[in-house]
Amino acid sequence: AQTVTQSQPEMSVQEAETVTLSCTYDTSESDYYLFWYKQPPSRQMILVIRQEAYKQQNATENRFSVNFQKAAKSFSLKISDSQLGDAAMYFCAYTTSGTYKYIFGTGTRLKVLA
Amino acid sequence: DAGITQSPRHKVTETGTPVTLRCHQTENHRYMYWYRQDPGHGLRLIHYSYGVKDTDKGEVSDGYSVSRSKTEDFLLTLESATSSQTSVYFCAISDSIAKNIQYFGAGTRLSVL
Repeated sequence: AQTVTQSQPEMSVQEAETVTLSCTYDTSESDYYLFWYKQPPSRQMILVIRQEAYKQQNATENRFSVNFQKAAKSFSLKISDSQLGDAAMYFCAYTTSGTYKYIFGTGTRLKVLA
Repeated sequence: DAGITQSPRHKVTETGTPVTLRCHQTENHRYMYWYRQDPGHGLRLIHYSYGVKDTDKGEVSDGYSVSRSKTEDFLLTLESATSSQTSVYFCAISDSIAKNIQYFGAGTRLSVL
């Protein structure tokens, strides 16, 4: 069965510094997608970044980038120049191509210190 | 932002009562999903729909039923609410499997006393 593991329940980062959130997954599929979602205190789930497994190039979205290690089944999120508005729960998610179902990790709460 | 409205946003109910949560979308997306979010579990899929009147079970479907009579509406029903169903419920939509991107509603906080 596919699983997604986020081993850091909570992380802290100083404003303007860089932080990396970890995510590992287990799958026997070769074609799949990985996501990072942000959930601020408003509770809204916001897509941060998406990675297709067949692409070797790591996805980037402004200050957010991923380190996708397919062989190691690792998908970490790097936030550069952290801002107070980055404080939130971050969820890693996985889905296979052609299916409807996301599998979520348990989340990492990120605190940004002024 | 995707046009997804969940109602109600908050609800308190008593054990044994029926509860229906509504998800309404204005995007004309084919696929709709219901998740529950609990501490230590992330989000878990309850039921999903791949078209009008086409639904299937997810990971944690026991005690829940769904209906989709129109493209824009996906209803989640707790026939007889239990305290273990106290949770935050999210609706999500996607326009195709190929894109695999799901967009989420704002969530409904349900408390079963």
